[in-house]
Amino acid sequence: DTAVSQTPKYLVTQMGNDKSIKCEQNLGHDTMYWYKQDSKKFLKIMFSYNNKELIINETVPNRFSPKSPDKAHLNLHINSLELGDSAVYFCASSQGTVNTEAFFGQGTRLTVV
Amino acid sequence: DQQVKQNSPSLSVQEGRISILNCDYTNSMFDYFLWYKKYPAEGPTFLISISSIKDKNEDGRFTVFLNKSAKHLSLHIVPSQPGDSAVYFCAAMWGSNYKLTFGKGTLLTVNP
Repeated sequence: DTAVSQTPKYLVTQMGNDKSIKCEQNLGHDTMYWYKQDSKKFLKIMFSYNNKELIINETVPNRFSPKSPDKAHLNLHINSLELGDSAVYFCASSQGTVNTEAFFGQGTRLTVV
Repeated sequence: DQQVKQNSPSLSVQEGRISILNCDYTNSMFDYFLWYKKYPAEGPTFLISISSIKDKNEDGRFTVFLNKSAKHLSLHIVPSQPGDSAVYFCAAMWGSNYKLTFGKGTLLTVNP
């Protein structure tokens, strides 16, 4: 019973395509995140949603659009994919936002060719 | 601008010995610190945390020490086991700013 699950685990696609990554958490948390781990292995936050409301957008290109249909889901849609978008994308969730750990999904390795 | 730094990309220790992973930070606003462990092809898993009002937190074989004046924290694993071999990320946050700031990670290898 995976706490934070994201699909797909691997995604290979051509430049210019549009793709989505889905994330679901069954922990009852009210905050969800998208993090990106680039080729240099830095894990950086992209977006944060609290109770379906966008709280953080860390200067991510507007080709990236998160969508939170409910508190348990946070999907990431990417338009016009570029080579530089190749990375591992992690979804995470937490209960609240103050002094609390986040639980991460297994990651989606996106490769743009 | 790296606000959380893990200056050792890798560390190798013998099974049964102590592993010490270090982390430095520059942002004095940080008041909560966490360590995550990551195996290949998996997401980071939470290990242990410490609030800035403490200087030590223990959980079984894992102890985190915080030196606020030096803006430094460390994770001690004792005794180290081969299953501890993974990448360890230090992370920090403050207040309710909704995000973790991660270091680059240290690859720990525990040799049998």
